[in-house]
Amino acid sequence: QIRLQQSGPRLVKPSQTLSLTCAISGDNVSSNNAAWNWIRQSPSRGLEWLGRTYYRSKWYDDYAVSLQSRITVNPDMSRNQISLQLTSVTPDDTAVYYCARAEMLWLGDTYYYYMDVWGTGTTVTVSP
Amino acid sequence: DIQMTQSPSSLSASIGDRVTITCRASQSLRMHLNWYQQKPGKAPELLIYAASTLQSGVPSRFTGSGSGTDFTLTISGLQPEDFATYYCQQSYSPFTFGPGTKLDI
Repeated sequence: QIRLQQSGPRLVKPSQTLSLTCAISGDNVSSNNAAWNWIRQSPSRGLEWLGRTYYRSKWYDDYAVSLQSRITVNPDMSRNQISLQLTSVTPDDTAVYYCARAEMLWLGDTYYYYMDVWGTGTTVTVSP
Repeated sequence: DIQMTQSPSSLSASIGDRVTITCRASQSLRMHLNWYQQKPGKAPELLIYAASTLQSGVPSRFTGSGSGTDFTLTISGLQPEDFATYYCQQSYSPFTFGPGTKLDI
């Protein structure tokens, strides 16, 4: 059974960097048929996909356009986990942050991705 | 970015009812559309992927259909545990969620 265990500070000051980790058990961060994602949820933004990392002979990452200048998602193969760093945070970054595994499946003539395993979520508040 | 809309934003129904939720994308997704259920205080759970494939362990009363820009989630014979919020999510480029549909009694 695949499980994702999130950890990190729940309170971050404005202008500082939000850092979270997501430890993976039951799967491998360098799996060739998965991608590892960060998503957040707030009343004002709903569910917002932030970014992902995945391994396909080499490491790739993608980010939400609105966050590209502030976000990094990194894999850590030695610890089998991923991390999220979001710089220059403001109160608008207050949210529940989730990590999630996206399975990649070949169906017909294309690959499909779907998030089948989620962490339990970390409530992060940005406040002085 | 691909924009997603859902309708209705909220829906009241009764046990045993059949309900349909609609999701629309701002450009064609082919069949790159997933549906999730979320209950208060919990992470979303995958119901349907690739527009119409039921995730393992999900009851057959949940069905998904559609392709291109228009998709539907139908729940036939509502059960008490189905009252939740439902989200569509496009996985074409790369991921965007719809705003959600809250289903209550």
